[in-house]
Amino acid sequence: AQSVTQPDIHITVSEGASLELRCNYSYGATPYLFWYVQSPGQGLQLLLKYFSGDTLVQGIKGFEAEFKRSQSSFNLRKPSVHWSDAAEYFCAVRNYGQNFVFGPGTRLSVLP
Amino acid sequence: DGGITQSPKYLFRKEGQNVTLSCEQNLNHDAMYWYRQDPGQGLRLIYYSQIVNDFQKGDIAEGYSVSREKKESFPLTVTSAQKNPTAFYLCASSIGGGNSGNTIYFGEGSWLTVV
Repeated sequence: AQSVTQPDIHITVSEGASLELRCNYSYGATPYLFWYVQSPGQGLQLLLKYFSGDTLVQGIKGFEAEFKRSQSSFNLRKPSVHWSDAAEYFCAVRNYGQNFVFGPGTRLSVLP
Repeated sequence: DGGITQSPKYLFRKEGQNVTLSCEQNLNHDAMYWYRQDPGQGLRLIYYSQIVNDFQKGDIAEGYSVSREKKESFPLTVTSAQKNPTAFYLCASSIGGGNSGNTIYFGEGSWLTVV
């Protein structure tokens, strides 16, 4: 069965610092890949997605993610974090004929 | 505006009661989903529906029921058989079902608390 891991449960960075959130998946083929963000008590908002083509994808709010097939990874990055980026981040995968699988999430705290 | 509307935002349930969470979407999406989220945890799939009048159990369907009589509506009933219903419930939808990489969109969620 496909699975998604997010190794970091909680990350704290200072405002203005760079950010990288890790995501690894297990599946034989290249799945469809997504990153979502969730503010406390809210639904999930799509940040970006990868289906095919250029392995570096740009999303909203200045985020980007890079798909690396050899590492089965889809890490999320942002060059300079803002205090408003503090939230929970979920990586998700979807394969042909199957439902979405979400990772456990990474909570991001931002220090002023 | 197009989107997914969940109601109520907050709901309290007494022991032994059934409660129904509403989910309506005006995105003309075929597929709809219900997820449960416990504090500090990820999302677990309860039920999903790829087309009107059809739905399938997800990973944690026990104690829940759904219906899909209309394309835009996918209500979730939390029955008294669900022993630990206190959680945050998220409704979602996508254009198609499992045969594509369609993006899934979420509502704002409903908090259910047992009192």
